[in-house]
Amino acid sequence: EVQLVESGGGLIQPGGSLRLSCAASGFTVRTNYMNWVRQAPGKGLEWVSVIYSGGSTYYADSVKGRFTISRDNSKNTLYLQMNSLRAEDTAVYYCARDIRMDVWGHGTTVTVSS
Amino acid sequence: DIQMTQSPSSLSASVGDRVTITCRPSQSINSYLNWYQQKPGKAPKLLIYAASSLQSGVPSRFSGSGSGTDFTLTISSLQPEDFATYYCQQSYSTPYTFGQGTKLEIK
Repeated sequence: EVQLVESGGGLIQPGGSLRLSCAASGFTVRTNYMNWVRQAPGKGLEWVSVIYSGGSTYYADSVKGRFTISRDNSKNTLYLQMNSLRAEDTAVYYCARDIRMDVWGHGTTVTVSS
Repeated sequence: DIQMTQSPSSLSASVGDRVTITCRPSQSINSYLNWYQQKPGKAPKLLIYAASSLQSGVPSRFSGSGSGTDFTLTISSLQPEDFATYYCQQSYSTPYTFGQGTKLEIK
């Protein structure tokens, strides 16, 4: 079964760091475009970052320079390293497969608050 | 960045109604347009990709059309399980922006 499972969310103080994980099963992360998308409470969807199969990475302006997307091919897992966290980064974070986002995880909640 | 404008922002309709949601990008995106459905507390679900291709397992009452700067999602006969929020998203260029969403409510 094709599946994505996120983990790593939690409560973190402003300025702190967190690493989110997205474990894939049923397909290979390395051969797919993989995205992170977030949704602030009561708001719409916001695309955050993508890593292409070739390894190129792209970010939304709102996270550029603070967040880093990566993958571990041996673990078939996608990551999002989030540094210098701000209150406005509070959201449910989803990972999604492919440029058309055909498979989504259930999401992991990040709350940035003192 | 490409801005995605959906209309309407909200819509009240009845079971059996035909509903159309519009998405207009700020520049041409050819057919690089996807539609998603999201229910409260759940992850989004892909309905339509490449403007008009129905994702596997999605009922045929959902259809998409358009290209360039004008796209529509149509639900031919609303079912109770279709009341949700719908988002368009462009995959033409990064950042892969979403529309603001259309909340479809029961009349």
